[in-house]
Amino acid sequence: GQNIDQPTEMTATEGAIVQINCTYQTSGFNGLFWYQQHAGEAPTFLSYNVLDGLEEKGRFSSFLSRSKGYSYLLLKELQMKDSASYLCAVRNNNAGNMLTFGGGTRLMVKP
Amino acid sequence: GAVVSQHPSRVICKSGTSVKIECRSLDFQATTMFWYRQFPKQSLMLMATSNEGSKATYEQGVEKDKFLINHASLTLSTLTVTSAHPEDSSFYICSARGGTQETQYFGPGTRLLVL
Repeated sequence: GQNIDQPTEMTATEGAIVQINCTYQTSGFNGLFWYQQHAGEAPTFLSYNVLDGLEEKGRFSSFLSRSKGYSYLLLKELQMKDSASYLCAVRNNNAGNMLTFGGGTRLMVKP
Repeated sequence: GAVVSQHPSRVICKSGTSVKIECRSLDFQATTMFWYRQFPKQSLMLMATSNEGSKATYEQGVEKDKFLINHASLTLSTLTVTSAHPEDSSFYICSARGGTQETQYFGPGTRLLVL
């Protein structure tokens, strides 16, 4: 089976940096995705990592270490609109390349 | 980026009626589409996976006769909630997989309220 863990909630201050961690255990790893989901809306794609290292995209960066089963999403220069849930999802090529989602991390950005 | 549309965005129906939700990939072809359900403050729960031209694969505990899925083309999948009951009230989200990285893109979701 698969196991994906991420913190349930985090709080950070506007303008600061926050790191959301995700650990996973899976066979057939074929990529890790981060999605952002605002309350009452569907998830939107943020980033994709399949090789070790850091992928940077504007204020958001995502890191992957396959040997450690670990990823993080880094958000810089936090804005109030970044308050949302952040979902870590692992793709498994032993399961038809389906995504398995973690429970999500609810981030609250305070002024 | 890739766009997935979903219609309707919101529906209210009486108990016992059926509701159809459409999911379209607008600018890419999706051989595989997924249907999720999400209850308030909970994570996404995969209901079924559908491949174009074949029968959907349902997750354990999801009744295939209640949640009818049709994936007739590479850009359209439909979910029909038959004989809806109040406990079926939820946020239904479709997702289409495509692009060079086979990324899953989500539709905007359909909020269903069964009275």
